[in-house]
Amino acid sequence: DQQVKQNSPSLSVQEGRISILNCDYTNSMFDYFLWYKKYPAEGPTFLISISSIKDKNEDGRFTVFLNKSAKHLSLHIVPSQPGDSAVYFCAASSSYNTDKLIFGTGTRLQVFP
Amino acid sequence: DVKVTQSSRYLVKRTGEKVFLECVQDMDHENMFWYRQDPGLGLRLIYFSYDVKMKEKGDIPEGYSVSREKKERFSLILESASTNQTSMYLCASSSGLAGEDKKYNEQFFGPGTRLTVL
Repeated sequence: DQQVKQNSPSLSVQEGRISILNCDYTNSMFDYFLWYKKYPAEGPTFLISISSIKDKNEDGRFTVFLNKSAKHLSLHIVPSQPGDSAVYFCAASSSYNTDKLIFGTGTRLQVFP
Repeated sequence: DVKVTQSSRYLVKRTGEKVFLECVQDMDHENMFWYRQDPGLGLRLIYFSYDVKMKEKGDIPEGYSVSREKKERFSLILESASTNQTSMYLCASSSGLAGEDKKYNEQFFGPGTRLTVL
């Protein structure tokens, strides 16, 4: 039972354009969401997060949007750069167990020149 | 900077062997985690530990055990390796102290161990 889903296993975007990665969740108890980025042969690294009390959080080229009613979040990367090519994992946690993260299946982003 | 290290980057073992994967963190973190990453399945939690000598099962503990004798070290043990345990294994740690908004506890990951069981 996948509580956090990333339905697009891969995405290809031209450099300079916007990349939009999507994530859906089923558990209404989730109230904190994170995006991690993973390069080959490296561990995932934290990218950006959002609390359920917000609907948008921005950090430089990265913006995460949360739609609680739809149980959907998205990561926007503008402008996309070749160095953004990686696997992106969405993760969720709940306030009754902040230490445990539930990860999605990942989306492989390729940014081409 | 937080550093999480894993004993091996690549490991090849035979079916039935006992396998030890070691993880060490240098930031005095309370929590440590073992995940496996498989194509199409994402990161799945095997076991985690909130303190020395304490452990809790994650989502897929079958076929695995863990040991945490010291705060900085968390070991994953495959008692009798099987081919379906071929995977990328990732260790992570976190401080156990939520961030400013009390809701988030960032996990820091090691580089991973690619285990192949023949």
